[in-house]
Amino acid sequence: NAGVTQTPKFQVLKTGQSMTLQCAQDMNHEYMSWYRQDPGMGLRLIHYSVGAGITDQGEVPNGYNVSRSTTEDFPLRLLSAAPSQTSVYFCASSYGLAPGSGNTIYFGEGSWLTVV
Amino acid sequence: AQSVTQLGSHVSVSEGALVLLRCNYSSSVPPYLFWYVQYPNQGLQLLLKYTTGATLVKGINGFEAEFKKSETSFHLTKPSAHMSDAAEYFCAVSEGAGGTSYGKLTFGQGTILTVHP
Repeated sequence: NAGVTQTPKFQVLKTGQSMTLQCAQDMNHEYMSWYRQDPGMGLRLIHYSVGAGITDQGEVPNGYNVSRSTTEDFPLRLLSAAPSQTSVYFCASSYGLAPGSGNTIYFGEGSWLTVV
Repeated sequence: AQSVTQLGSHVSVSEGALVLLRCNYSSSVPPYLFWYVQYPNQGLQLLLKYTTGATLVKGINGFEAEFKKSETSFHLTKPSAHMSDAAEYFCAVSEGAGGTSYGKLTFGQGTILTVHP
């Protein structure tokens, strides 16, 4: 998991609270994304970015906001946390969009979020 | 659209036995295929990937996978299991250029591998 740093690693929130999960990479990668992992469902794409200033929705975007003001950072914001957002969140990055060009997608260590 | 199905949410083998984790995919264009491993409380680590060329792909830790287009499969194998292989394994697909899910990874549900002494 070289180069993708996520903070915090663990967080407990109350319903309705807001928070930001931070993600930073030092590999000058253009492509960054956020996934959530739930038991028996694998990883599902929340939002992604193909470069600074450009973001788009993934499979499960509701309840989450993102922005990409710099190449290095891609924070994920929960505006009003709900128990359904209890999950493990992974940030990922790669040099380009196309896996076929030899890009490797690097994942962070994960952020465990519990909403009570 | 693309999708991935991993057959078997739990697989249990004895140490030294063959490991076989099954993955089937659907994709509207030629796919790129991946296997990731996740150890407890850690992130995902790439085991191997198929993009183009040779259909038998070798990865780290003695794992390999074979892309079979006719069967839309990308099963993961290891001839002899080791205790350290115990982890959760994810198959993932990404469509190439021309696909509606270009560049996006879609993951299977995951298979937990248990290795008994």
